Amino acid sequence: GENVEQHPSTLSVQEGDSAVIKCTYSDSASNYFPWYKQELGKRPQLIIDIRSNVGEKKDQRIAVTLNKTAKHFSLHITETQPEDSAVYFCAASLYAGNMLTFGGGTRLMVKP
Amino acid sequence: DADVTQTPRNRITKTGKRIMLECSQTKGHDRMYWYRQDPGLGLQLIYYSFDVKDINKGEISDGYSVSRQAQAKFSLSLESAIPNQTALYFCATSDFGLAGDTQYFGPGTRLTVL
Repeated sequence: GENVEQHPSTLSVQEGDSAVIKCTYSDSASNYFPWYKQELGKRPQLIIDIRSNVGEKKDQRIAVTLNKTAKHFSLHITETQPEDSAVYFCAASLYAGNMLTFGGGTRLMVKP
Repeated sequence: DADVTQTPRNRITKTGKRIMLECSQTKGHDRMYWYRQDPGLGLQLIYYSFDVKDINKGEISDGYSVSRQAQAKFSLSLESAIPNQTALYFCATSDFGLAGDTQYFGPGTRLTVL
C-alpha cells in the first residue's frame, strides 16, 4: 500500500519568512495530493491540492510543487503570518475522491 | 464545514460502556470515513464505506464497528469502551465522480473513556 512520509515534524519560522514542508510517497500510481491545515482542536481543512498532470499550483501565499519522477511534493508558504500556525498534513491518493494516505503532520509555529 | 456534522461533539463515558458516534452529511457524497486522532499525532483510518453496501476495515478497526444506515449517515460504535480509545474522532466524506472531490471532515467528537 501507499506510504507517505512528511518532514519536518516541527517547524518554527519568524513572521514574514517562508516555510517549506516536504512529503514523499511510495506508490507511483498515486495521482492526487491534497494538503490539510488543522488548527488546535479543529477539523482538518483542505488548503490546496494538486493532481499529477501539473507540476505546480499556487493560491495566494500558498503553493504546492510535485515531482512525480522523484515521488515527492512540497508545500510552500510565503510571507508567513501568526495565523498560519497550525498542523499541516500532506496526503496521497490514487485519485481525488478515493482513500487518502496521510503523512504524519508538521507543526508550524510562526513567531511574531 | 457545516455539510458534515457529528454528534455528540463531546462525550465522557466509563470503561466497558457501549457508545455510538454519529455522522451525517448533506454533501451528497457516496464515500464516508471514520478517523481517530490522538493528541499530537496524525490521522488513523478506522473504517471506510464507499456506498451503503460496502464497508471496509481501516488500519485500526479492532474494538470498533460501523453502520452505514443511509448514504448520508455513517455511525461508529465502541462496543466496550476502554481508556486507550480516548481520542478525537473525525468523520469525513468524499465524492467519486468524474472529477472526484477530496475528503471533507466533520467537526470531530472528543471522546474520553474513564
